[in-house]
Amino acid sequence: GDSVTQMEGPVTLSEEAFLTINCTYTATGYPSLFWYVQYPGEGLQLLLKATKADDKGSNKGFEATYRKETTSFHLEKGSVQVSDSAVYFCALSLGNDYKLSFGAGTTVTVRA
Amino acid sequence: KAGVTQTPRYLIKTRGQQVTLSCSPISGHRSVSWYQQTPGQGLQFLFEYFSETQRNKGNFPGRFSGRQFSNSRSEMNVSTLELGDSALYLCASSHPLAGGPNEQFFGPGTRLTVL
Repeated sequence: GDSVTQMEGPVTLSEEAFLTINCTYTATGYPSLFWYVQYPGEGLQLLLKATKADDKGSNKGFEATYRKETTSFHLEKGSVQVSDSAVYFCALSLGNDYKLSFGAGTTVTVRA
Repeated sequence: KAGVTQTPRYLIKTRGQQVTLSCSPISGHRSVSWYQQTPGQGLQFLFEYFSETQRNKGNFPGRFSGRQFSNSRSEMNVSTLELGDSALYLCASSHPLAGGPNEQFFGPGTRLTVL
C-alpha cells in the first residue's frame, strides 16, 4: 500500500542551525506530496506541497523538492528559529483522492 | 474567512458509551475528512464525505461512522467506546479550487478520553 517514512525524532537544534527532515514514500502511482506542521495544541497546517517530479515547494523559509528517482521529499530550512518548534508531518495523496497518508511525524525543538 | 471548527474541543467518556463529534468546514468547502491521531498509530484516515456521500473509508471497525449534512457540516460517531479510542480526532475540509489538488485545511481537533 501507499506509505510515507520519515526521519525519527526528536530533533533538537540551536537557533540559526540548518534543519533537514528526511521523507521517503512508496506509492502505486504518482502522488502529490505535502509537509504539514502541527504546533502545540493545534491542528495541522499545510507548510508546502509539490504535485509532480522536480517541483520544489517552499514557504516560510522551508523547502522540499519532489524527487521521483529517489522517491523522496526531504524538508529543509537554512536557519531555524525558536518559533519553528513543532511536529512536522510528511504526507502523500494519489490522484483526486482526498485521503492523506501521513508519516509518523518528527518533533523539532529549537533552543535559543 | 472562518477556519474549520470542531466541537467539542474536549470530551471524556467511559467504556461502552457512544460519542458524536461535530465538524463545520470552511464556507464553500464540500469535502470533509476525518483523521484519528494517537501517539502509537500516528495520523490515520477514517473517512471522507463529499456532498453527503461517503467517498472513501479507512481501515477502522464499523463502530466508527460518519455523515454529512446538506450544509457540508459533518459528524462522526463512535459507538461502544474502547480505551484505545482515546485520541485526537481531526477534521479537514477541502475545495477542489482552493490551493490546487487535495489541499486540506484542518481544524484544531477534538480530544477524546475514554476511561
